[in-house]
Amino acid sequence: DQQVKQNSPSLSVQEGRISILNCDYTNSMFDYFLWYKKYPAEGPTFLISISSIKDKNEDGRFTVFLNKSAKHLSLHIVPSQPGDSAVYFCAASDRGGGSNYKLTFGKGTLLTVNP
Amino acid sequence: DVKVTQSSRYLVKRTGEKVFLECVQDMDHENMFWYRQDPGLGLRLIYFSYDVKMKEKGDIPEGYSVSREKKERFSLILESASTNQTSMYLCASSPGQPSATNEKLFFGSGTQLSVL
Repeated sequence: DQQVKQNSPSLSVQEGRISILNCDYTNSMFDYFLWYKKYPAEGPTFLISISSIKDKNEDGRFTVFLNKSAKHLSLHIVPSQPGDSAVYFCAASDRGGGSNYKLTFGKGTLLTVNP
Repeated sequence: DVKVTQSSRYLVKRTGEKVFLECVQDMDHENMFWYRQDPGLGLRLIYFSYDVKMKEKGDIPEGYSVSREKKERFSLILESASTNQTSMYLCASSPGQPSATNEKLFFGSGTQLSVL
């Protein structure tokens, strides 16, 4: 049972345009969400997070939106740059359940930003 | 900066061998994790540890064991390697309780293990 779903294995956008990566979850106990970025031959690195008490969090070119009723979150990158080309993982945790050290990851979306 | 170091970048082992993957972190983190990454499957948690000598099974612990004798070191052991354990193995750490940032994992660069 996949609790965090990233239904698009890949996404290709032009440099300067917006990249939108989507993530859906099924476990209503999840209350904290994160995005990680992974380059080839490197470990994932934390990008941005959002608590379920918010519906938006912004950090520079990166914004995460959360729609709790739809159990959906998205990562917007504006403007996209070639250096953003990587695999993006959505992840979730159940802080209220006391297991905030255990993340459930999606399968990842490969973003390619073309110059 | 937090550094998580995995002892090997690439490993090639034979079926049936006992394999040790080592991970060391230098930021005094309480929590340590082992994940494996496979194409089309994303990151799956094998085991995690929230304290020295403490361990808990993740989502796919079968065929693996772990050891955490010191706070900074977390070892993953494949008791008898099989071909379906060919994968990228990622170690990670996070601060521990009480912390608002436990989900911000710091990952090592990974060990690509091939079992022939």
